[in-house]
Amino acid sequence: KNEVEQSPQNLTAQEGEFITINCSYSVEISALHWLQQHPGGGIVSLFMLSSGKKKHGRLIATINIQEKHSSLHITASHPRDSAVYICAVTDFGNEKLTFGTGTRLTIIP
Amino acid sequence: DSGVTQTPKHLITATGQRVTLRCSPRSGDLSVYWYQQSLDQGLQFLIQYYNGEERAKGNILERFSAQQFPDLHSELNLSSLELGDSALYFCASSGGLGGKYNEQFFGPGTRLTVL
Repeated sequence: KNEVEQSPQNLTAQEGEFITINCSYSVEISALHWLQQHPGGGIVSLFMLSSGKKKHGRLIATINIQEKHSSLHITASHPRDSAVYICAVTDFGNEKLTFGTGTRLTIIP
Repeated sequence: DSGVTQTPKHLITATGQRVTLRCSPRSGDLSVYWYQQSLDQGLQFLIQYYNGEERAKGNILERFSAQQFPDLHSELNLSSLELGDSALYFCASSGGLGGKYNEQFFGPGTRLTVL
């Protein structure tokens, strides 16, 4: 079993829909990261969080440490949000990232 | 733009060859991480350097080696290349020891194709 599991693997939605991507992990972590990878390949860090909730524009990330679960929400989705979203964790005592397999999001105009 | 630079962007080479990938971290960042993204394995951590010293090792093959220089740039050396080494190689940097207080910033990656 992978340390970091994401769901769904693929998600297709209409423009304007509210999007939720889920991430579960099995280890004790110091931080959880949400990353975005566009078709060109570059990776952008969206959020790093260790508790609670963070918001940036139309993106919201939440984490529940007790349940070892995080969600990434996108409000008023737009075709430019189409990308692969990757959840990653940093273990305690360790700075490396362990990655989920990613969620491929496609927003249709 | 994350402030992390990687060269070259693309590299095409033959099996058995050796290549060097270069990464310059964001100004002031002391930690450099190398990651490999292949189609079958996804993103995997290879190795971390902090201020010139190796800090952590992941799934890095013995044919691969890395170093971080006094000016904090890092190089990843891949030798005796095999077809399966074809992948995107990312470098990331962070300001301190990583973990809770240090977000990692990714470079644009080097796409390696081994023919």
